[in-house]
Amino acid sequence: DIQMTQSPSSLSASVGDRVTITCRASQSIGANLNWYQQEEGKAPKLLIYTASKLEGGVPSRFSGSGSGTDFTLIIASLQPEDFATYYCQQFYSLPRTFGQGTKVE
Amino acid sequence: EAQLVESGGGLGQPGGSLRLSCAASGFTFSSYWMTWVRQAPGKGLEWVANIKEFGSEKNYVDSVKGRFTISRDNAKNSLFLQMNSLRDEDTAVYYCVRGQSFFRIWGQGTLVIVSS
Repeated sequence: DIQMTQSPSSLSASVGDRVTITCRASQSIGANLNWYQQEEGKAPKLLIYTASKLEGGVPSRFSGSGSGTDFTLIIASLQPEDFATYYCQQFYSLPRTFGQGTKVE
Repeated sequence: EAQLVESGGGLGQPGGSLRLSCAASGFTFSSYWMTWVRQAPGKGLEWVANIKEFGSEKNYVDSVKGRFTISRDNAKNSLFLQMNSLRDEDTAVYYCVRGQSFFRIWGQGTLVIVSS
């Protein structure tokens, strides 16, 4: 199975801050990576797919980059509604696997 | 609007069984792979199983192989997860999700608690 490792596990930030979350795969996965946002008590929401494509309706302050084993999610200017937990997920192979999550607080 | 609604969660005994259901609406159910993802309390997301559009292919995470069975009824726009030989570590919120690679549509989740 492909292991996905996110860093940091949590971070403290303020409104307006630039936030960077990284995700590393245990083997090369090309660009087969998605990012999700999960607010407390809610289902996850797809933000970024195929490493860098913004899902429809997602604000442009979110961006994704990377390929191979190293990926990054950037929130350009943190907004109050962005305080949540973020997960990366690979779809290069089965089983699909998620990172352990990064809580932005 | 595409929507998924899970049901069937609750308290299950260790070694017992539960059957989860997911009702789909607002999209052509038979055109999509469907997936179950779970989340243990306070933990991250775990992919559990998926099933091809007409059920010809099914895949499972190792920890549930031989115990869980995913199935679907396209005529009733429904997805199922039969959970047998339940273990404490199966305690989680179970989400029904549309897709096999990109998980765009999620249900609200149904909580399964395995405890004696």
